[in-house]
Amino acid sequence: QVQLQESGPGLVKPSETLSLTCVVSGYSISSGYYWDWIRQPPGKGLEWIGSVYHSGSTYYNPSLKSRVTISVDTSKNQFSLKLNSVTAADTAVFYCARRVSSGSPNDFWGQGTLVTVSS
Amino acid sequence: SYDLTQPPSVSVSPGQTASITCSGDKLGDKYACWYQQKPGQSPVVVIYQDTKRPSGIPERFSGSNSGNTATLTISGTQAMDEADYYCQAWDSSIVFFGGGTKLTVL
Repeated sequence: QVQLQESGPGLVKPSETLSLTCVVSGYSISSGYYWDWIRQPPGKGLEWIGSVYHSGSTYYNPSLKSRVTISVDTSKNQFSLKLNSVTAADTAVFYCARRVSSGSPNDFWGQGTLVTVSS
Repeated sequence: SYDLTQPPSVSVSPGQTASITCSGDKLGDKYACWYQQKPGQSPVVVIYQDTKRPSGIPERFSGSNSGNTATLTISGTQAMDEADYYCQAWDSSIVFFGGGTKLTVL
C-alpha cells in the first residue's frame, strides 16, 4: 500500500521559508508519476501548489510560482516543498499526494500537516 | 488561470438525490474528478475521468461532464455522505480545484 507522510516545522515566522518533506513508502518515486503539494487554509478550500515529475520536471501554480520550489530526491524516496517569504495568509494544512498522470486525480494523499505562520 | 465554480452549499434530505455542479470554460473538453473530504481527513476521490468510480466507492455516486459543467450526483443520499466536495480539472499541466461545496444531509 502506498503511503505518504509529510514532515516539517509546524511554526514558521513571517518572511521566512517554509520547508516540508514528503516521504513515500510502498512505491518507488523513480518508477514514475507526479508528486503534488496541495494546501488548505483553515476552513477554506484546496489549492494546488505544484508538482514534481519523477524525472525532476516541475510545474507550479502561477499564483505561487515566484515563491515555490519543489524538488525530488529519489535516493531517499521523498520530495520536498520550499515556500519563501511567507505571511499569515500561507497558514494552512499542507498535503502531499500522488498523481498517476497529468490528467488523473490524486489517488494517494498524506494525512496533512498544519503549518502556522506567526511571529 | 482557469476558474472552477461550485455552489458553496447544497442541502438534501436523506434518501433523496443531491447534485453538485462545477462550472468552467469548456470544462466538458477536459476530464474532471470529484473528491469527498470529511472534517479532519484527507480528500478521497469519488469520481474520476468524469464518470468512473474508484473501487470501494458506492454506486450511488455518479458523475457527468458536458459543455461548461461537470456534475456529481449522489442518489439515495445517506447521512454519511455529509461532507465537503471538490471538483478538480487540469489545463496545460496545471491543476485546478473548485472552491468546494458543503453537502448537508438534513
